Amino acid sequence: AQSVSQHNHHVILSEAASLELGCNYSYGGTVNLFWYVQYPGQHLQLLLKYFSGDPLVKGIKGFEAEFIKSKFSFNLRKPSVQWSDTAEYFCAVFTDKLIFGTGTRLQVFP
Amino acid sequence: NAGVTQTPKFRVLKTGQSMTLLCAQDMNHEYMYWYRQDPGMGLRLIHYSVGEGTTAKGEVPDGYNVSRLKKQNFLLGLESAAPSQTSVYFCASTTWREAFFGQGTRLTVV
Repeated sequence: AQSVSQHNHHVILSEAASLELGCNYSYGGTVNLFWYVQYPGQHLQLLLKYFSGDPLVKGIKGFEAEFIKSKFSFNLRKPSVQWSDTAEYFCAVFTDKLIFGTGTRLQVFP
Repeated sequence: NAGVTQTPKFRVLKTGQSMTLLCAQDMNHEYMYWYRQDPGMGLRLIHYSVGEGTTAKGEVPDGYNVSRLKKQNFLLGLESAAPSQTSVYFCASTTWREAFFGQGTRLTVV
């Protein structure tokens, strides 16, 4: 069965620090990959997505992610975080259904 | 998100009561989903549908039933609510490229 793992449950950073959130999935076939963000009290918003082509995808708000097929990974990165990036981040995989990881709570302190 | 309407937004139930949550989409999507979101556990898939008249179990289907009699509607039922079903419920409507989410239903079972 397909699954999505996010190993970082809670990340605390200072502003301007670099961010990398891990996402691994288990599925042997073709996948579509997504990162979503959920700000406190709000619903999910799409950060970026990967379907095919260039494995390095750029999203909104300066986020990017790299698809590494051999590692079944789709890690999210941002070179310099801001206080406003404080939120929960979810990796998701679509095969025949859309499955989410458990999420990573990011806290950024000024 | 435009196109997905989820009702009600809030509900308090007593243990053993029943209720139905309604998800409606106007984008002609085949795929629809019901998730529950709990702290530290991400969005867990309850049931999903790949088209009118079809339903399938997700990761946590026990205690829930669903129906997709019309393509635009996906109903989630709780026949006998339990405190463990206290959660925030999200409906989603997707293509394989993009997901649209309802605003969520905060359900408390006392």
